[in-house]
Amino acid sequence: AQSVSQHNHHVILSEAASLELGCNYSYGGTVNLFWYVQYPGQHLQLLLKYFSGDPLVKGIKGFEAEFIKSKFSFNLRKPSVQWSDTAEYFCAVNEKLTFGTGTRLTIIP
Amino acid sequence: NAGVMQNPRHLVRRRGQEARLRCSPMKGHSHVYWYRQLPEEGLKFMVYLQKENIIDESGMPKERFSAEFPKEGPSILRIQQVVRGDSAAYFCASSPRAAINQPQHFGDGTRLSIL
Repeated sequence: AQSVSQHNHHVILSEAASLELGCNYSYGGTVNLFWYVQYPGQHLQLLLKYFSGDPLVKGIKGFEAEFIKSKFSFNLRKPSVQWSDTAEYFCAVNEKLTFGTGTRLTIIP
Repeated sequence: NAGVMQNPRHLVRRRGQEARLRCSPMKGHSHVYWYRQLPEEGLKFMVYLQKENIIDESGMPKERFSAEFPKEGPSILRIQQVVRGDSAAYFCASSPRAAINQPQHFGDGTRLSIL
């Protein structure tokens, strides 16, 4: 069975700080990895995805994620966060989208 | 906007009643996925359907829950004889083809509250 762990439940940062949200997965086969974001009151939106190729994936709004196969990780990063990045972030794996429990990100102006 | 449409946005039912949740996929999408988000938990896969076929229902509770995606009309998630534990947000997603290489597009969800 596949599973996804997001260890940071709630992260609070000041604007311009750097961000890294952890995501580890458990799955023995070929993985497709996703980060979704849910802004307050809105539906889930795809931030970025990894299917194959370059393990460093760039997504929308300045986000990127790195697939490290040896660590079973797909951490999300952004060098300088903005207040508008306040949202809940979900890591997911594969077609049936096994989700992590999410990380609530709060950016303080 | 031709996004994934779910209705109703909020649904209140009393214990023992039936709940019907509807999902219209994006135009051109023939694959539908249902997820449930319990309070303080992540989204969990329930069922994957194509038109007129259930492909994978491994995440569906064995009793009271059913799903369909008819040839015409929206996909329906049906919960019979609801109980308090069914209170959750139910999300629908769609993709144009099997989502191995296709990201899913999500609706706004239906918040189900059981009195």
